[in-house]
Amino acid sequence: EDKVVQSPLSLVVHEGDTVTLNCSYEVTNFRSLLWYKQEKKAPTFLFMLTSSGIEKKSGRLSSILDKKELFSILNITATQTGDSAVYLCAVNTGANSKLTFGKGITLSVRP
Amino acid sequence: NAGVTQTPKFQVLKTGQSMTLQCAQDMNHNSMYWYRQDPGMGLRLIYYSASEGTTDKGEVPNGYNVSRLNKREFSLRLESAAPSQTSVYFCASKLQGNLDQPQHFGDGTRLSIL
Repeated sequence: EDKVVQSPLSLVVHEGDTVTLNCSYEVTNFRSLLWYKQEKKAPTFLFMLTSSGIEKKSGRLSSILDKKELFSILNITATQTGDSAVYLCAVNTGANSKLTFGKGITLSVRP
Repeated sequence: NAGVTQTPKFQVLKTGQSMTLQCAQDMNHNSMYWYRQDPGMGLRLIYYSASEGTTDKGEVPNGYNVSRLNKREFSLRLESAAPSQTSVYFCASKLQGNLDQPQHFGDGTRLSIL
């Protein structure tokens, strides 16, 4: 059974802090790993990672994949209250691009 | 620039009632998906349609049926609603091809079954 585990499940930080969100996986057929941000409604796409060691970056957010150790991290620097959300990690297992999701990490950024 | 549109946004049903959740996308995507999201459980795949004319079961298909009406629309039906189906339902779509693409999600339908 494919499994995606995210940690920690929740996190409270203050504005300006740097946070690291973790995602580990055990799947039979890996194609890519995706990060989404979910505020009130639809999950919105952040990054897709397919190759080890190549950092993807967008503003204050960055992510990297380690296919040998089967994990990914999402870093957020200089956090803002607008970063408060649930961060979802998902693995594309290749069969018709089905995604297996982790339970999500709830990040709260206090002013 | 609508993306993925789900209707209704909220619904309350009584046990045993039936209901169809609608999903439409205007991005010319070929694959579409239905998920449910429960507290502490993450998103779980109910059914998916890899292309027009095909549908397949996901992780939690029991109690649901789907119809891929055309390339744009993919509906989810609850024939006899049960309290365990109280959840937030998300529809997603993606372009299937040689290059991997992310799934794009609708805003969800919050369904309560009493």
